[in-house]
Formats: sequence, C-alpha cells, structure tokens
Amino acid sequence: EVQLVESGGGLVQPGGSLRLSCAASGFTFSTSWMTWVRQAPGKGLEWVATIKEDGSQKLCVDSVKGRFTISRDNAKDSLYLQMNSLRDEDTAVYYCARGNGHSWGQGTLVTVSS
Amino acid sequence: DVVMTQSPLSLPVTLGQPASISCRSSQGLLRSDGITYLYWFQQRPGHSPRRLIYNASNRESGVPDRFSGSGSGTDFTLRIGGVEAEDVGVYYCMQATHWPPTFGQGTKVEIK
Repeated sequence: EVQLVESGGGLVQPGGSLRLSCAASGFTFSTSWMTWVRQAPGKGLEWVATIKEDGSQKLCVDSVKGRFTISRDNAKDSLYLQMNSLRDEDTAVYYCARGNGHSWGQGTLVTVSS
Repeated sequence: DVVMTQSPLSLPVTLGQPASISCRSSQGLLRSDGITYLYWFQQRPGHSPRRLIYNASNRESGVPDRFSGSGSGTDFTLRIGGVEAEDVGVYYCMQATHWPPTFGQGTKVEIK
C-alpha cells in the first residue's frame, strides 16, 4: 500500500523558514517523480514544485521561485520542501504527492502569521 | 499559465441521479507524445484529494465504474452515473500538459 506521510508544518512568522518532509513507502520511490501541492484554507489546489526521479530536474511555480526548494533523498525514500522568506499567502495545507497526483499524503498545515 | 474553468461550481444532486461536471482549458491539452494530460480528483470533506481519472478517460484502479471521464482538446467532462452519498465533496480537474500544472476552481457536489 502506498503511503506518504508529511511532517514539519507549524506556525512561523512572516520572513521565517520551515522545512517540510515526506516519508514514502509502498512503492519504488527512486523511480517516481514527486510533487508538492498546497491548499490555502477553504480554497482550491495549487501546484508548488516537482522533482525528477534522480533529483536532476526541479521545477517550482513562479509564486515560490527563489524562496522554496524541493529536494529528495532516495536512500531514505524521502521528499523535502525548504521554505524560506515565508509570506502570509503561503499559509496552506501542504500535500506530498506521487507524480501527477497518483497518490497523496494527509497533508501538513503551515501557518504564516505574526 | 493554462486556465482551467469548471462548471458548475456548485452541483446539488438527488441520490441515484446522474451528474456531470465540465472542465475547459485555455489551451489544447494534447501533447506531442499523443497523450492528453488531463486528470480528475475527488476531495471528500476533511480528506486529501484522490485521483479518479487520468489521461482524460482512464479510471484509476479501485474507482467505481459510475465515474467516467471524456473529452479532448480543450473540453472535458466528468460524469457520475448515479450519485451516492459517499460522492459528496469537491471535484477538481487538472492539466499537466503545460508547465505549470494547473487546477480548476473545483465543483462542490452535494445531495439535495
């Protein structure tokens, strides 16, 4: 059974940093593109970042470019999202997903507020 | 970015009756490899999204056959053959043909 378990969310002040993690199991992580998608409270879904199987290609949407970095450790079956210079509008539940949303984690809430 | 427009945004349905959600993209979604990267997701209240349909018309394993996807180019449809109580939630279309992948606004399905 595919499992994706996010962690690392919490309350952070504007301008602060946070690192999200996603532990994967039940599939061959090292051969899967991985993705972060977020959902602001009461709002729709927004693609954030994607990383190729071997980490050689990383893509981020314009709204987070230069602030967020996606990475992975295939030896640990783990996906990460380093979030710097956080803004109020980054407040959301952040989901880890396999590929183009084939499987999703339960999400971790990030709240940016002073 | 490709804009995905869903309609309706709210869909009250009688149990057992069919339902249909439309999704239109601002650009064609057929990629040069011959695949249309259009997906449908269901998000039940308090839950993570779940992928129902991939490549416009292929049902994911374990998804009831009352769900079907159709369409091509810029016009796509998700049909629910006969709505059941467990189908309540928000449905999203998403394209991954063009970077960045983009979602529709969501359609809230509720029981009348």
